[in-house]
Amino acid sequence: NAGVTQTPKFQVLKTGQSMTLQCAQDMNHNSMYWYRQDPGMGLRLIYYSASEGTTDKGEVPNGYNVSRLNKREFSLRLESAAPSQTSVYFCASIPRQSNTEAFFGQGTRLTVV
Amino acid sequence: GENVEQHPSTLSVQEGDSAVIKCTYSDSASNYFPWYKQELGKRPQLIIDIRSNVGEKKDQRIAVTLNKTAKHFSLHITETQPEDSAVYFCAASTGNTGNQFYFGTGTSLTVIP
Repeated sequence: NAGVTQTPKFQVLKTGQSMTLQCAQDMNHNSMYWYRQDPGMGLRLIYYSASEGTTDKGEVPNGYNVSRLNKREFSLRLESAAPSQTSVYFCASIPRQSNTEAFFGQGTRLTVV
Repeated sequence: GENVEQHPSTLSVQEGDSAVIKCTYSDSASNYFPWYKQELGKRPQLIIDIRSNVGEKKDQRIAVTLNKTAKHFSLHITETQPEDSAVYFCAASTGNTGNQFYFGTGTSLTVIP
């Protein structure tokens, strides 16, 4: 039981390049989330998926797209990376019932130069 | 949407002293308030949570209090130890569809041996 797994752990991109961050959970959770973490700004929600087949914007969705490929996987895509997207990205998941613990992946440190 | 404010942003205490971190929230519909601890380079992990039908919850050296009228909640760590040094995040959730968590900006706690 691996929990929430993110790949890659580190990535350096050039401005304008694209990439996809992968996230998978093996806990049969319904809801999945992508956050970015920047110094002094906490964790800000980029996109979330309440259930398989649905996705919604969070607080800071501009410059990102997501895909809920199936119940296990939720990917985050940067179509044209910008230096402002340099951050640590965390994927998280929550069981069906509300108001319970969110389980986080180990994070992806992305640098855009 | 919900706005969660967290203070202080940094906190240093002597080993054995107590530490208190405070958060306020804006959405009166929020009813779940977790606290996460993030060690350097690691993922956030839940340490304690409280629901709106409870005013206080304790788990060994950690306690959380909630004042729904004033819309604030606090984390109390007693008898601090060096291993308590980390960044702590508060969060609030309404438990609605999507179960979005809104995080505070974090408190960096340093326990001085």
